[in-house]
Amino acid sequence: DQQVKQNSPSLSVQEGRISILNCDYTNSMFDYFLWYKKYPAEGPTFLISISSIKDKNEDGRFTVFLNKSAKHLSLHIVPSQPGDSAVYFCAASDGSYKYIFGTGTRLKVLA
Amino acid sequence: NAGVMQNPRHLVRRRGQEARLRCSPMKGHSHVYWYRQLPEEGLKFMVYLQKENIIDESGMPKERFSAEFPKEGPSILRIQQVVRGDSAAYFCASSPTGQPFSQGEQYFGPGTRLTVT
Repeated sequence: DQQVKQNSPSLSVQEGRISILNCDYTNSMFDYFLWYKKYPAEGPTFLISISSIKDKNEDGRFTVFLNKSAKHLSLHIVPSQPGDSAVYFCAASDGSYKYIFGTGTRLKVLA
Repeated sequence: NAGVMQNPRHLVRRRGQEARLRCSPMKGHSHVYWYRQLPEEGLKFMVYLQKENIIDESGMPKERFSAEFPKEGPSILRIQQVVRGDSAAYFCASSPTGQPFSQGEQYFGPGTRLTVT
């Protein structure tokens, strides 16, 4: 039972363009969402988060959008840089410490 | 470097042996979480510990797996009589409180990659 889904296992984007990573969830009790970035042989690094009372949160080149009615969130990276190439995990929580992770999307930014 | 530390980074065990994975949380963090990532899957919660207490072990297999976080020293995830299906990356995370959303997120270590042959 996959409560958090990232349906695109991979994405390639040209440097300077926008990267859009998508995430869907099924549990309406989730009220906090996070994005983590992971390089090979390293642990996930927290990137950005959003609570369910908001529909957008921005931090520099990274913006997360939340559509509660569609149970969908997305991460926008503008402009994309080669150093952004990594696996991006979406995670959700019902407010507890227990994060539910998606399977990840591998982003490749082409120079 | 005050980040979350895990060792060993790579561990190879034969079937039936024991695996011990260690995690030292960030300085000032007293809450530790263990996650497991199987190939091609996301991270899955295993157990949440505070010093000398297991708070939630609902994600941990009932048999062969145990975890502790003693008053002194690192948190230990122990897997007895390993089987091939235990091969995975095991990540530890820490937070300063048990409500990471109010005062900080969970910070992850680099992981231990366990291979069972």
